[in-house]
Amino acid sequence: EVQLVESGGGLVQPGGSLRLSCAASGFTFQNYAMSWVRQAPGKGLEWVSTMSGNRLYTNYADSVEGRFAISRDTSRNTLYLQMNSLRAEDTALYYCTKGATMGPLYYFDYWGQGTVVTVSS
Amino acid sequence: EIVMTQSPATLSVSPGERATLSCRASESVSNNLAWYQQKPGQTPRLLVYDASTRATGIPARFSGSGSGTEFTLTISSLQSEDLAVYYCQQYKNSWTFGQGTKVEIK
Repeated sequence: EVQLVESGGGLVQPGGSLRLSCAASGFTFQNYAMSWVRQAPGKGLEWVSTMSGNRLYTNYADSVEGRFAISRDTSRNTLYLQMNSLRAEDTALYYCTKGATMGPLYYFDYWGQGTVVTVSS
Repeated sequence: EIVMTQSPATLSVSPGERATLSCRASESVSNNLAWYQQKPGQTPRLLVYDASTRATGIPARFSGSGSGTEFTLTISSLQSEDLAVYYCQQYKNSWTFGQGTKVEIK
């Protein structure tokens, strides 16, 4: 059974940093791209970032480019999101998601329960 | 960036009736289109991928169609448990979601 468990969320002041983690199990972690998707309170879904299974490819939404960094540790089956220079508009529930295929085009077939990030003074 | 536009924003349907949700892409995404269901207080769930293929365990009353820039999700006979927000997502060029359609039970 595929499981994705996020952690690391919390309350942080504007300009601060936070690192999210996503522990993955139930599949061969290094074979699949992994992504972060966020949802601001009462709003829709926004893709944030993706890293390929082989770690050679990363991509970021314009809204977080240069501030966020995605990484993964295959030995720990864990995905990370380092978030710097946080803004109030980064406040959201952050989901970890698994890419559905090993090909170049993929949707998200499994989602974690999410971890809440609140940016406020 | 490919912009996804969903309509209507809210759809009110009686149990047993058909619900039709639309999604339009700002440029062609071929069939690289997925639909997700998010029930109140829950995590999004994959319903349909490649525009028309139902995900594992999804009831047959859910069907997707379309290609290029115009897509439709149809719920053939709405059940009370289908109360949710439905999102389309393109994965042709990076990933973008529509703003969602909220399905209400009339």
